[in-house]
Amino acid sequence: AQSVTQLGSHVSVSEGALVLLRCNYSSSVPPYLFWYVQYPNQGLQLLLKYTSAATLVKGINGFEAEFKKSETSFHLTKPSAHMSDAAEYFCAVTNNNDMRFGAGTRLTVKP
Amino acid sequence: NAGVTQTPKFQVLKTGQSMTLQCAQDMNHNSMYWYRQDPGMGLRLIYYSASEGTTDKGEVPNGYNVSRLNKREFSLRLESAAPSQTSVYFCASSEILAFIETQYFGPGTRLLVL
Repeated sequence: AQSVTQLGSHVSVSEGALVLLRCNYSSSVPPYLFWYVQYPNQGLQLLLKYTSAATLVKGINGFEAEFKKSETSFHLTKPSAHMSDAAEYFCAVTNNNDMRFGAGTRLTVKP
Repeated sequence: NAGVTQTPKFQVLKTGQSMTLQCAQDMNHNSMYWYRQDPGMGLRLIYYSASEGTTDKGEVPNGYNVSRLNKREFSLRLESAAPSQTSVYFCASSEILAFIETQYFGPGTRLLVL
């Protein structure tokens, strides 16, 4: 069965610093991978998705993620954190109606 | 275009009571899903419906039933609520483009079972 593991349930960065949220996947078939963001008291919003067209995927709000098959990773990055980036981020993998989510990483941005 | 809508937003139940969570989407998507979100556990799939008239169990279906009323609506029913069902429930629908499925989520229903 496919799964994703997010390393670090909480990440704290200073405003303007690099954001790095880690996600490793396990899948027996080529995966389709996603990053979602959840702001307080809201549903999940799609940030970006990997569909095998390109290993570096750019998403909304300046985020991007790189698919590395050799490392089975799909880490999310942003060069410069903004206060508005504070939220919970979920990595997910899907295969035929079966989407599995990581436990989530809560990002805090300090002024 | 409202996307995925859910009602109610909040609900408090007593143990043993029943209720139905409603979900509707206006994106003409075939597939719809119900998830529950618990702290430290991410989202777990309860049931899904790949198309109108079909439903299938997900990872945690026990204690729940679903109805795919039509293409737009997918409801989740708790027949006899238990405190373990205290959670935030999300409905989602999905589109498939070039064989890639992308899910879109509603705002959630916060349920407290006393």
